[in-house]
Amino acid sequence: GDSVTQTEGPVTLSEGTSLTVNCSYETKQYPTLFWYVQYPGEGPQLLFKVPKANEKGSNRGFEATYNKEATSFHLQKASVQESDSAVYYCALGDTGYQNFYFGKGTSLTVIP
Amino acid sequence: AQTIHQWPVAEIKAVGSPLSLGCTIKGKSSPNLYWYWQATGGTLQQLFYSITVGQVESVVQLNLSASRPKDDQFILSTEKLLLSHSGFYLCAWSLPWGDAETLYFGSGTRLTVL
Repeated sequence: GDSVTQTEGPVTLSEGTSLTVNCSYETKQYPTLFWYVQYPGEGPQLLFKVPKANEKGSNRGFEATYNKEATSFHLQKASVQESDSAVYYCALGDTGYQNFYFGKGTSLTVIP
Repeated sequence: AQTIHQWPVAEIKAVGSPLSLGCTIKGKSSPNLYWYWQATGGTLQQLFYSITVGQVESVVQLNLSASRPKDDQFILSTEKLLLSHSGFYLCAWSLPWGDAETLYFGSGTRLTVL
């Protein structure tokens, strides 16, 4: 079945340093890939999505490239801020979009 | 603009007691609706989804049931709570099949079973 595997947390970084959260996926279909961000006590919010292979998504300085050959969708940011502290989820939506598969989440804490 | 409202915000319930959680989506007709469960510090587990009124598909039951009595309403319930039901319950919606597929989540219900 479909699955998503991502960097296990927690991850602690100092402000201004770079972030990479690895995400790999398994599917036999042609999914859309997502990064969601969740702040404490809230529901996840879409960070960005990429529907097509070899394209890049970005938002708020975060970016990820849909690599179909490597089945990866790694999240990167060049310089993190304290406000980026949250849990990040990689996800895929299958072609029916009735089933979404989330990774286990990566908790990020940024120290000022 | 679409809004999603979940109720209640939090519940503390006894083992063996019944439960009903709800969510309402306004501003979007015939959305796909979903229930997700998140254990403390855990991932998002899809429980149910519905593409139309009266039709609900189970993904993982966990001794819970779901119903869609109206186009804009999704209910999660059980007659008998277990300790393992504790966690964060999230309702979500997406546009119907074939359109933009993004999941939009509500703010969740925190359930504590004692």
